[in-house]
Amino acid sequence: DAKTTQPTSMDCAEGRAANLPCNHSTISGNEYVYWYRQIHSQGPQYIIHGLKNNETNEMASLIITEDRKSSTLILPHATLRDTAVYYCIVSGETSGSRLTFGEGTQLTVNP
Amino acid sequence: DSGVTQTPKHLITATGQRVTLRCSPRSGDLSVYWYQQSLDQGLQFLIQYYNGEERAKGNILERFSAQQFPDLHSELNLSSLELGDSALYFCASSVRDRYFLSGNTIYFGEGSWLTVV
Repeated sequence: DAKTTQPTSMDCAEGRAANLPCNHSTISGNEYVYWYRQIHSQGPQYIIHGLKNNETNEMASLIITEDRKSSTLILPHATLRDTAVYYCIVSGETSGSRLTFGEGTQLTVNP
Repeated sequence: DSGVTQTPKHLITATGQRVTLRCSPRSGDLSVYWYQQSLDQGLQFLIQYYNGEERAKGNILERFSAQQFPDLHSELNLSSLELGDSALYFCASSVRDRYFLSGNTIYFGEGSWLTVV
C-alpha cells in the first residue's frame, strides 16, 4: 500500500472551510484515495473516495492533484461536530480491500 | 448509522477467559473485516472474510480466530485473554472483496469495548 503523510493536528474556526492535506507520493495507478474520520472512539466513518477526478458528496469535497501525489479533503462549513481524527488512506488491488490506517490528522473545530 | 451491527457494546472479563464478539454486516455486503484499536497501537487490521471464506489476515494473534457464517454474520473469538487485549474491536463490511471496479467502500460498526481485568 502507498504510504500517506498527514499533519498531526489542525485547527479550524466554526463555519469556515477546513482543508485537510494528504501526501501520497508513492500512489500507484490503481490505488484509490479514501478519507475516513473517527469521532472519539466511535466507529470510523466513511467520508469520500476518489481515483483521479475531484469528487464531492454531501459531506465533503476531495481534490486530487493531477499527478495524484497529494490530495485535499475540504469540509466546506466546519461545525463543532466535525472535530475528529481524519484518516487519508490509499488502497488498491494489491492490498485487497483492507484499509491501513495511519495516525491521521486531529481536526479541532473551534467556536 | 452505518448498518453494521456489533454486539456486545461493552464487555468486561477476566484474564484467561474466552469471549465471542458478533457482527452483522450491512444488508447485501459479502465481506466482513475485523479491526482492533488499542490506545497505543491505533487501528490494526486483523482479518477479512468474504462469503464465508477467509480472504486476508493481518496482525491477528493465534489466540484469536474468526469465522463468517452462511447468513454472512461473523464472530471474532478471543481466548486466553490477557490484559493487553483490552481494546475496541471494530467490524466492518463491504460489498466486494478485493476487486476494485469502482473502489470498494468499507463501512464500520460502532465497535465492541473489551476490558480484560
